[in-house]
Amino acid sequence: GESVGLHLPTLSVQEGDNSIINCAYSNSASDYFIWYKQESGKGPQFIIDIRSNMDKRQGQRVTVLLNKTVKHLSLQIAATQPGDSAVYFCADATSGTYKYIFGTGTRLKVLA
Amino acid sequence: DAGVTQSPTHLIKTRGQHVTLRCSPISGHKSVSWYQQVLGQGPQFIFQYYEKEERGRGNFPDRFSARQFPNYSSELNVNALLLGDSALYLCASSFSGMGTGELFFGEGSRLTVL
Repeated sequence: GESVGLHLPTLSVQEGDNSIINCAYSNSASDYFIWYKQESGKGPQFIIDIRSNMDKRQGQRVTVLLNKTVKHLSLQIAATQPGDSAVYFCADATSGTYKYIFGTGTRLKVLA
Repeated sequence: DAGVTQSPTHLIKTRGQHVTLRCSPISGHKSVSWYQQVLGQGPQFIFQYYEKEERGRGNFPDRFSARQFPNYSSELNVNALLLGDSALYLCASSFSGMGTGELFFGEGSRLTVL
C-alpha cells in the first residue's frame, strides 16, 4: 500500500546547529505534504506544509523542501533550540481522498 | 479560542468492552477526522466526517464506528475491545472537508485495554 516513511528514527543535534529531517513518500498522486511536531503526551502540532506545485517553502526557522522526482521531502530547522526536542512526522495526502498518511516519525534530541 | 477538545483524556477498559470517545472541533470547523496512534508509530487514519457524512474510512474493522452531530462534534465508538486497540486516539478538525489543508489535532484520548 501507499506509505510515507522516515529514514532516521532518531536525530541528535547540538543546540544552535541546523537540523534536517528526511521523509520519503511512495504515492506519486500525493499533492499535499505537511510536517507535524509532537511533544510527549500531546497531540501533533502543525509546523509547515507544502503543495506539489512548489519545491520549497519557508516559515519561521523552518524550511520544507519537496523533490517530486525522487518522492522525497525534508524539514530543515535553523538554529535548533531545546524546545525543538520532539517527534516529527511527515504526512501526505491526495486532494479529494480526505486521508492523511503519516510516517513513523523521527525523534529529534537537542543536546545542550 | 478553544482548540480541539477530546474526552476522556485517559481511560482503562477490559477486553470485550465498548468505548465511546468524544471530540469537539474548533468553532467554525465542519470536518472531523479520527486517527489511532499506537505507541512509537505515526497516526493511522480511521475516519473523516464532513457535514455529518462519512467522507473517508481507513483500514479498520467494523468494530470501529463514528458519527458527527449537527453541532459538528463527533463520537468514535469501538466495540468488543481487543488488547491491540490500546492506543492514543486523536481527533482533528478542519474548516473544509473538500480538500487538503492543515488538520488541527486535539490532545487525544489514551485508551488502555487490559
